[in-house]
Amino acid sequence: DQQVKQNSPSLSVQEGRISILNCDYTNSMFDYFLWYKKYPAEGPTFLISISSIKDKNEDGRFTVFLNKSAKHLSLHIVPSQPGDSAVYFCAASAVDNFNKFYFGSGTKLNVKP
Amino acid sequence: GAGVSQSPRYKVAKRGQDVALRCDPISGHVSLFWYQQALGQGPEFLTYFQNEAQLDKSGLPSDRFFAERPEGSVSTLKIQRTQQEDSAVYLCASSLVTGLAGGDTYNEQFFGPGTRLTVL
Repeated sequence: DQQVKQNSPSLSVQEGRISILNCDYTNSMFDYFLWYKKYPAEGPTFLISISSIKDKNEDGRFTVFLNKSAKHLSLHIVPSQPGDSAVYFCAASAVDNFNKFYFGSGTKLNVKP
Repeated sequence: GAGVSQSPRYKVAKRGQDVALRCDPISGHVSLFWYQQALGQGPEFLTYFQNEAQLDKSGLPSDRFFAERPEGSVSTLKIQRTQQEDSAVYLCASSLVTGLAGGDTYNEQFFGPGTRLTVL
């Protein structure tokens, strides 16, 4: 059973606009969340993370929001650039086993020039 | 050469054949992880090493899968008697931090490019 879900397999956005990628989780023990970005034929690359003590973390154009009561997090990219086109994976780990990451199935983002 | 490297990048095996996949982590990284990524899915945890100790192998799908890291650096994932359902990309990741470091960044895992295994 998937504990981390990304229900949108793909997203298409115009350059300069906001991209919002969503992720839901079921395990209430998850306390650390990450977003990874993956280009074809490469391994995932760490993008941004957030711990459960916060509800927002920002790094440049990337902001992650965490809603613990809804077990939902989102990644906002503003402004979106064509180079952001990639597959984005949400991942989570639990306080009792922080080394074990659970990944969602990914959302393919296409930023159109 | 600062990143995680994996070899081979591509491997084609006949069903029943044994394969060995190699991972060279980032120098000095204590933790090493193996993941399996099926087509259209996210990476799934297989196993985790801290130095040479295999601390969690709960994700290994069967006893045909075996991983080792004898000297605490390079790791090998071995799959015996490969089956078609073993076809996937096998990702290796390494991490410097092995415990809580506080703040928003801890335990970031750095991934290699993966080995794509195709079992015919």
